[in-house]
Amino acid sequence: AQSVTQLDSHVSVSEGTPVLLRCNYSSSYSPSLFWYVQHPNKGLQLLLKYTSAATLVKGINGFEAEFKKSETSFHLTKPSAHMSDAAEYFCVVRPHDTGRRALTFGSGTRLQVQP
Amino acid sequence: EAGVTQFPSHSVIEKGQTVTLRCDPISGHDNLYWYRRVMGKEIKFLLHFVKESKQDESGMPNNRFLAERTGGTYSTLKVQPAELEDSGVYFCASSQRQGGTGELFFGEGSRLTVL
Repeated sequence: AQSVTQLDSHVSVSEGTPVLLRCNYSSSYSPSLFWYVQHPNKGLQLLLKYTSAATLVKGINGFEAEFKKSETSFHLTKPSAHMSDAAEYFCVVRPHDTGRRALTFGSGTRLQVQP
Repeated sequence: EAGVTQFPSHSVIEKGQTVTLRCDPISGHDNLYWYRRVMGKEIKFLLHFVKESKQDESGMPNNRFLAERTGGTYSTLKVQPAELEDSGVYFCASSQRQGGTGELFFGEGSRLTVL
């Protein structure tokens, strides 16, 4: 079985400062890991994905995440927050080897960006 | 190209009534998924279609929920009779043929309120 823990339900940063959204996972199999973002009244949008290639993954809008197997973590970072980054972010895991395609979502982290 | 579209965007019904949610996936996507997020909880997998066949329906909560995908195009999710705990946002997603770690494209969701 797999699970995802997002360690912070809310994160507040000032515009121009770094963003760190934390995610830990557990998976019985080699996982694929994703970060999705949901802006108000919008669908879920894929930010980036890890699929057993490079451990540092770059995504859209300047976000990146590093897969650390020893720490079972996949934290999302951005060097400088923008007001448009305010949204809810979801860390997601899918086991690679079982053939099941279902995603397991974390509980979400709501990012607030202060001017 | 149109994305995943869902209808209605918001539905308010009384307990015991029936509601049908519709999802139109991206054209050519064989895989179609339903997920839902009840208030304050994680986004949870409901089921997965490959074309018109149910590949995995392990997340369906009970037999009040019926999903169909006749002809392998659009899908409907019917809740009959609706209960208070069914309130939440129902997301549909689609992806291309199985194999690899294809991105899921999500719709904006259908918000269901059961009074």
